[in-house]
Amino acid sequence: DAKTTQPPSMDCAEGRAANLPCNHSTISGNEYVYWYRQIHSQGPQYIIHGLKNNETNEMASLIITEDRKSSTLILPHATLRDTAVYYCIVRVDEGSSNTGKLIFGQGTTLQVK
Amino acid sequence: GAGVSQSPSNKVTEKGKDVELRCDPISGHTALYWYRQSLGQGLEFLIYFQGNSAPDKSGLPSDRFSAERTGGSVSTLTIQRTQQEDSAVYLCASERGQEHGYTFGSGTRLTVV
Repeated sequence: DAKTTQPPSMDCAEGRAANLPCNHSTISGNEYVYWYRQIHSQGPQYIIHGLKNNETNEMASLIITEDRKSSTLILPHATLRDTAVYYCIVRVDEGSSNTGKLIFGQGTTLQVK
Repeated sequence: GAGVSQSPSNKVTEKGKDVELRCDPISGHTALYWYRQSLGQGLEFLIYFQGNSAPDKSGLPSDRFSAERTGGSVSTLTIQRTQQEDSAVYLCASERGQEHGYTFGSGTRLTVV
């Protein structure tokens, strides 16, 4: 079972910031939060990930609460091409291999209008 | 190559036949994953290879499914005696390390008739 909870759908006006929430109240201290998105008929695309600190890259920002029980993905200026299913995933700790399977939930369908 | 390559992109097969799906990961990526996605559903983990370690087969739905990865590079997912419920998009992903995230291929759409 996925270890995260996301709203099934959200709308956002084009040009505005899209804020996608995710709850992960059972996250362990050494588990990362990952965000992926899947545009219709394509394979999922990596967006960003973080452990404790807020992160920013060219695609998005990730805000993680101090207790790490929730996070928010921010797309600063949403466009129609950002319409997709967004997945928030807690990485299963696989030990020293530095890789490991991701368990995808149902995600949030973001509709940019 | 520049990305993860999967072949064929589409496969139609008769019920009861065996099929092989191929994945060419990004050169240098030590981890390789197989997922499948049925129509309108989320991604279902199937199997995970990491270096020379024994693969994590915990997601394979039945013993009709198997996968191998030769020389730490190309992987083949084999489905024996296909059933109609095997119809789905089969996605492969590779990864260098968790700080980089997965790169997914475009998938193989399998239709069992």
